[in-house]
Amino acid sequence: AQKVTQAQTEISVVEKEDVTLDCVYETRDTTYYLFWYKQPPSGELVFLIRRNSFDEQNEISGRYSWNFQKSTSSFNFTITASQVVDSAVYFCALSEKTGGFKTIFGAGTRLFVKA
Amino acid sequence: DGGITQSPKYLFRKEGQNVTLSCEQNLNHDAMYWYRQDPGQGLRLIYYSQIVNDFQKGDIAEGYSVSREKKESFPLTVTSAQKNPTAFYLCASRRGPDSYEQYFGPGTRLTVT
Repeated sequence: AQKVTQAQTEISVVEKEDVTLDCVYETRDTTYYLFWYKQPPSGELVFLIRRNSFDEQNEISGRYSWNFQKSTSSFNFTITASQVVDSAVYFCALSEKTGGFKTIFGAGTRLFVKA
Repeated sequence: DGGITQSPKYLFRKEGQNVTLSCEQNLNHDAMYWYRQDPGQGLRLIYYSQIVNDFQKGDIAEGYSVSREKKESFPLTVTSAQKNPTAFYLCASRRGPDSYEQYFGPGTRLTVT
């Protein structure tokens, strides 16, 4: 069965600090996709990144970077030089090929960035 | 602008009443989804539809119903059989078989008293 664990319920940092959000997943499928979404206070989830199981290359987009490691079943998200606007709930999610790519979401990590 | 709209943003109902939440998309996406989010929790799948006139139950379908008569519309009815209907409801869409990420609407916060 698929499962996504975000062990950090809340993280609080001061602006300009770097912060890493952890995500550990479980799947028996060899074909799957991993995602990160951001949910600001307005409530709408914003898609940030998708990674497929055959591509372990890390990715950087501005201040955001993602580290995908199949050996540890982890897909961690790092924000460099955090800003107050980064304050939100961040969700990691998993879709498996088996079961029609239904998406399972982790419980989310609430990030507070203080000025 | 293309996107997903959900209306209203806030909805209040008395216990025992059915209520329908609207979800419309103009992205020409094939698949649509309904999720429920409770405070401090992740999203749980209620129903999803991969194509017009077809839909499947998700993990928590009891007490809910949907229809998909048009590609752009996927309304969710919260019936009086749903024991704890107060929650934040999110609608999402996905382009098609070759696309895997979902795009979300702004959500509807339903309060039943």
